[in-house]
Amino acid sequence: RKEVEQDPGPFNVPEGATVAFNCTYSNSASQSFFWYRQDCRKEPKLLMSVYSSGNEDGRFTAQLNRASQYISLLIRDSKLSDSATYLCVANTGGFKTIFGAGTRLFVKA
Amino acid sequence: DVKVTQSSRYLVKRTGEKVFLECVQDMDHENMFWYRQDPGLGLRLIYFSYDVKMKEKGDIPEGYSVSREKKERFSLILESASTNQTSMYLCASRTGDLNTEAFFGQGTRLTVV
Repeated sequence: RKEVEQDPGPFNVPEGATVAFNCTYSNSASQSFFWYRQDCRKEPKLLMSVYSSGNEDGRFTAQLNRASQYISLLIRDSKLSDSATYLCVANTGGFKTIFGAGTRLFVKA
Repeated sequence: DVKVTQSSRYLVKRTGEKVFLECVQDMDHENMFWYRQDPGLGLRLIYFSYDVKMKEKGDIPEGYSVSREKKERFSLILESASTNQTSMYLCASRTGDLNTEAFFGQGTRLTVV
């Protein structure tokens, strides 16, 4: 079983839609979590950190549920420019940073 | 701004060649990582290092080795390149604090022919 699992999608949504991604992790000792965004042929870049108390940044909201070992990302009012792959990330014990396989999002006009 | 620089953007090598991929970071980060990224498989951890001369195997270390002689530099070595090592290779670094994010280099697209 992969340490970090995501639905690969793709998610095809119209502009203005709300879309949610979930991610599960298997290592209960994982310390911290992040969402990264990766555009085609580019390196991943940090989108936002994920906290148990929730974290909101404009149209983006991230949430962590430690009891169920899942992380979520909500995107409201989707824009064409949100089209990308979204990667769920966990920093585990033992210095490792583990990535999910990514969820592809296509926002259509 | 944190800068992570990979030595080559594109590389074409022949089967059996020894290949060196270099990565340098300028933020005094303790931890450095090498991943490969393949369609449908996401980023898979090859090796990581938490200090100079320290290294740990990731999930897919077979066919690879690494070197970290200086804190800012982490090299990935393909001892004898094979066609199944054709991939995008991404280097990342972060501080020793587990609550901090990793920063990536621009990636090296390696093709082994």
